[in-house]
Amino acid sequence: DAGVIQSPRHEVTEMGQEVTLRCKPISGHDYLFWYRQTMMRGLELLIYFNNNVPIDDSGMPEDRFSAKMPNASFSTLKIQPSEPRDSAVYFCASSFRTSSSYNEQFFGPGTRLTVL
Amino acid sequence: ILNVEQSPQSLHVQEGDSTNFTCSFPSSNFYALHWYRWETAKSPEALFVMTLNGDEKKKGRISATLNTKEGYSYLYIKGSQPEDSATYLCARMDSSYKLIFGSGTRLLVRP
Repeated sequence: DAGVIQSPRHEVTEMGQEVTLRCKPISGHDYLFWYRQTMMRGLELLIYFNNNVPIDDSGMPEDRFSAKMPNASFSTLKIQPSEPRDSAVYFCASSFRTSSSYNEQFFGPGTRLTVL
Repeated sequence: ILNVEQSPQSLHVQEGDSTNFTCSFPSSNFYALHWYRWETAKSPEALFVMTLNGDEKKKGRISATLNTKEGYSYLYIKGSQPEDSATYLCARMDSSYKLIFGSGTRLLVRP
């Protein structure tokens, strides 16, 4: 398996533009997580899905952020309109859960977003 | 303790030194404790997932212990090598399956 795939790897955009980040989880994983990493706040969870259903979006900063998972192999994180303070590295991670274990999360390479 | 806290924030050691870091976390509603290794310009990679009080795990020169009653975990690196230089993150999982990460310990091993 190629691991968690994210695109684009880098995105530079102007304030007010819409930004869409994409993620393909590892095949067979039933959990998908979106994180944001900043110097000030470290690695923080934005939203996570289980079997394509959003479970907890309490980490989503505001209504400008939205996430979808239309099927088991694809998820998007959208920011509309983008603002300079959204500049960060956004990671997608996936994992699978069994009844007897709490498995590690596998992280994608991240998308470095710069909003000018 | 309300959040996941890691200490020290950064650590510089000489090649061959052994070192350890601490992760403190709320002990209530505890499900699992994860350790991740995060190299610069890469993504975090899992080292250990620990669930039971008294758990000890080992991978090569790196080992970890867990105390769920008092809410702490230690990560040990024996005979540090320059390639061990990275940020080491711990994260606590509760019943919601969410991971709450600490701010990490940044380790630099000098040759």
